[in-house]
Amino acid sequence: GAGVSQSPSNKVTEKGKDVELRCDPISGHTALYWYRQSLGQGLEFLIYFQGNSAPDKSGLPSDRFSAERTGGSVSTLTIQRTQQEDSAVYLCASSEIRIYGYTFGSGTRLTVV
Amino acid sequence: TQLLEQSPQFLSIQEGENLTVYCNSSSVFSSLQWYRQEPGEGPVLLVTVVTGGEVKKLKRLTFQFGDARKDSSLHITAAQPGDTGLYLCAGAWTSGSRLTFGEGTQLTVNP
Repeated sequence: GAGVSQSPSNKVTEKGKDVELRCDPISGHTALYWYRQSLGQGLEFLIYFQGNSAPDKSGLPSDRFSAERTGGSVSTLTIQRTQQEDSAVYLCASSEIRIYGYTFGSGTRLTVV
Repeated sequence: TQLLEQSPQFLSIQEGENLTVYCNSSSVFSSLQWYRQEPGEGPVLLVTVVTGGEVKKLKRLTFQFGDARKDSSLHITAAQPGDTGLYLCAGAWTSGSRLTFGEGTQLTVNP
């Protein structure tokens, strides 16, 4: 596609429910990243994919968080048993290998009530 | 732990004024990028710098990479209300590694 697409754009969920966030990167981009951003703050790294493998999962805050990527394309970030502190904007970005610069999606705003 | 510090955190100025935003680390960057983010959108890449001492210009924006590749600055000349947004620096400490982002500078330019 022309850009990085994320869905849903907004998600309100009850505490304790599971949520799935989807990222559709730019076609041909082999690298995919998930970041989390609290209101007005910088970006917190979550996980990085190169193809379908995840060589860097160091940013996942707990075992309630998991992510997968299939076909070297679409990625899903799953948060189980959501907590209020999980409320944030979840941003996905993709890039071509050896090419500087990420292209970000518009994010999913997650609110846990 | 490698940290990337950005200052100031907030900046509110009048149209036509100049400003500078700073990004610093105790470690050497392999490369550094500046992004601009508007509400409800993801960050958009403005520039990438890789060579110590490098200066890049983008219209009224001037980006400088320190000689030791540990710091960078963004200077805006004659700021316009359209420059309002969150400015983020992001560094990679090794080639090909993922980016670490600063906390951002929220710039407001008042007409």
